[in-house]
This record gives sequence, C-alpha cells and structure tokens, in this order.
Amino acid sequence: GEDVEQSLFLSVREGDSSVINCTYTDSSSTYLYWYKQEPGAGLQLLTYIFSNMDMKQDQRLTVLLNKKDKHLSLRIADTQTGDSAIYFCAAYNAGNNRKLIWGLGTSLAVNP
Amino acid sequence: NAGVTQTPKFRVLKTGQSMTLLCAQDMNHEYMYWYRQDPGMGLRLIHYSVGEGTTAKGEVPDGYNVSRLKKQNFLLGLESAAPSQTSVYFCASSYGHNEQFFGPGTRLTVL
Repeated sequence: GEDVEQSLFLSVREGDSSVINCTYTDSSSTYLYWYKQEPGAGLQLLTYIFSNMDMKQDQRLTVLLNKKDKHLSLRIADTQTGDSAIYFCAAYNAGNNRKLIWGLGTSLAVNP
Repeated sequence: NAGVTQTPKFRVLKTGQSMTLLCAQDMNHEYMYWYRQDPGMGLRLIHYSVGEGTTAKGEVPDGYNVSRLKKQNFLLGLESAAPSQTSVYFCASSYGHNEQFFGPGTRLTVL
C-alpha cells in the first residue's frame, strides 16, 4: 500500500536552517502537506504544495517537491526555539477516499 | 468559529468500562475523522465519515464504533475498554481537497 516515510529526529541550533525530508510512494498524490504538532496540542496545517509545483515559499518556510524521486522537503529558515515540534508529512490522493497517508513525524529540537 | 472541539480532554477508565468521545465542528465540513496517536506509531486512522449518516473503517477500527447522526458531530465509542486503547485521540474534519483541521485531542488512559 501507499507509504510516507520521514526521519524521526532532527536537532539544529537556533538561527540555523532546518531541513525536514519526506518520501512517498504514491505517484498519484495530488497534494502534499506539512503539519506541525506542538507538545500537548493537535496538529496544525503549516503549508501544502500541489503536485504540479516544484517549490512553494511562505515567509520562513520553503517546500521543495521532486516528483520524479517522490521526495518532499520542508526548509525552515532562521529556526527559532518556538519551532521545536513534531512535523508530519502527508500525501493526498483523491482516489483514496480522500484519506491522507501520514508519515510518522519528525521531532525537531532547536538548541539555543 | 470554534473550529474542531473534543470532549472530554482527559479520561481514565478501568478495563471493561465504556465511554464515548465527542467531536464537534462548526465549519460545515463533510468529512470527519478519528485518529489515535501513539509513540512511534504516528497517526492511525480509526474510522471516518464522508457525510452525515455515513461511516467507514480506517486502519485500526477494532474495538471502536462511531456514529455521525448530525453533520457537525462525530462520536467515537469504546464499548469495553482495554489497556491497548490507552492513547491520545484526535478528531479532524475537512472539506474539498482534504486540508484537515484537528481538534486538541483527548488523552485516554485505560487501567
């Protein structure tokens, strides 16, 4: 079946850039999402990208999509301690009963 | 708008007890979902609904039942709770291209 994979942990220093990577298997995925979960809270949508785009930028966030390799990345510029959270990658295929396929999440630790 | 709300926020049950978790959304979304989140397991879909009066099984439906009698509400029931159902439960709703909006979660402990 479809799968989404992410590395589980990432540690960066405050002020550096963070890059969180994700690979997915369903080449028919039409939307790819990044969600953020802060400790003790629900998930919040950070950003998403259509499958016909290569890049999307939104303030400190840059999403890169390589459809050929089925690879998605989220870059956070000037990472702050408030960015410490779990980041989930998810892939959507309209033919899959509108269900999202979720990665396990990458726990980002930002060190002062 | 309150978005997606979940009741209760915390609950402790004894093995064999039953309970119902309530999810409510005020965004007129057609689709609603129940997930559980466990360490190292990510999010796993329990049941979902594509509209009022409809429900469908997700990845891990055993031991749970759901009902969607009103469009804005999605109920998750545990008929006979087991320690393996200790988890954090999230409800979500969506419309259109499936951007999902999540509730704050319910922390359930089954002793």
